Amino acid sequence: GAVVSQHPSWVICKSGTSVKIECRSLDFQATTMFWYRQFPKQSLMLMATSNEGSKATYEQGVEKDKFLINHASLTLSTLTVTSAHPEDSSFYICSARPGQEFYEQYFGPGTRLTVT
Amino acid sequence: GQNIDQPTEMTATEGAIVQINCTYQTSGFNGLFWYQQHAGEAPTFLSYNVLDGLEEKGRFSSFLSRSKGYSYLLLKELQMKDSASYLCAVLDSNYQLIWGAGTKLIIKP
Repeated sequence: GAVVSQHPSWVICKSGTSVKIECRSLDFQATTMFWYRQFPKQSLMLMATSNEGSKATYEQGVEKDKFLINHASLTLSTLTVTSAHPEDSSFYICSARPGQEFYEQYFGPGTRLTVT
Repeated sequence: GQNIDQPTEMTATEGAIVQINCTYQTSGFNGLFWYQQHAGEAPTFLSYNVLDGLEEKGRFSSFLSRSKGYSYLLLKELQMKDSASYLCAVLDSNYQLIWGAGTKLIIKP
């Protein structure tokens, strides 16, 4: 089956620093990748959609200068949380869509970010 | 606006059957998903319905009525490991997933 990995699985950083999270599709090429954020006891919130080689499309209310997304290849997308603050502490999940079948979407295992 | 409603929490007994309902109002419809999510983990795919009717997959079944904007996930022969959150999500006209808040299912022995 299609596998998506995320690295790191958890990270603790100090307020004001930046953190990069990687999302990789291991056995397929992902034309589209999605980044979600999930706060405790809440559902997933889509942050942005990225297509390989083009700029990410951010959802309303998500600061694109704070959450930098790069989708440099068909198997790798990165999310960089810049100048992180404690309120950015959350569970970040990526997912990848292999092709034009819009119902297919595979999730990574998630990254737990804690900002102290 | 777009809206997906599902109960916040449900409790059921091991070995029993439970039905988790989901109603939706979205701009367009390209299918409805059910995902299972254990605490601290990413969602895992359970089912996808795009046509009306019941889809059965082992102990889990999913039903869809597009005219009523309604779906349910039916879990049979409940096991303790089924304790998790169950997320309903609709693929809208822009092929974007709209997520419900999830239903936390608690299984008691």
